Amino acid sequence: TQLLEQSPQFLSIQEGENLTVYCNSSSVFSSLQWYRQEPGEGPVLLVTVVTGGEVKKLKRLTFQFGDARKDSSLHITAAQPGDTGLYLCAGAGGTSYGKLTFGQGTILTVHP
Amino acid sequence: DTEVTQTPKHLVMGMTNKKSLKCEQHMGHRAMYWYKQKAKKPPELMFVYSYEKLSINESVPSRFSPECPNSSLLNLHLHALQPEDSALYLCASSQIPLLRGPGYGYTFGSGTRLTVV
Repeated sequence: TQLLEQSPQFLSIQEGENLTVYCNSSSVFSSLQWYRQEPGEGPVLLVTVVTGGEVKKLKRLTFQFGDARKDSSLHITAAQPGDTGLYLCAGAGGTSYGKLTFGQGTILTVHP
Repeated sequence: DTEVTQTPKHLVMGMTNKKSLKCEQHMGHRAMYWYKQKAKKPPELMFVYSYEKLSINESVPSRFSPECPNSSLLNLHLHALQPEDSALYLCASSQIPLLRGPGYGYTFGSGTRLTVV
């Protein structure tokens, strides 16, 4: 069974601070997806990274896929209260053929 | 249209009831999924439909019965559920199944909040 270890599980910070969420695995993934979910809503896709070493930026969010395609990170610069939510990484491919492997999620709270 | 629409948004049902959850997308996606999600936990895969055929069943109890009438619709029929089945049920779709290509993200619906009493 493929596992994605996501850390930290909880993150509580002040507005304006920077933060990084990590997803690590011993398995190789074909791609890594990051989602953000607000209470009572479904996850919303933020980005998909496919190439080892790839870096993608989405405004204040920076996503990185490890060279070996076993890990990924999400960095948020100058966090805002609107960034509050559950962040999920999900890996595709590898031994979990045909389905996504989700990390356990990071609950981010940004205080004004 | 870039949405996955799920109905109803909330559902309360007794353990002897029969109900159905509905999911619809008009993005031309050929893979559709049912997930179950408990509070503050990641979604757990239940079923995958690939080109309208059931391709993955994650050993889900038979009281959950999926159906894919056409490429735009996905149903989940519920019968004789237990209180522990209470959860947020999410439908998702992707352009093509992961079997065919790894780079396609999922579009999730807002979910149906199911409470079994």
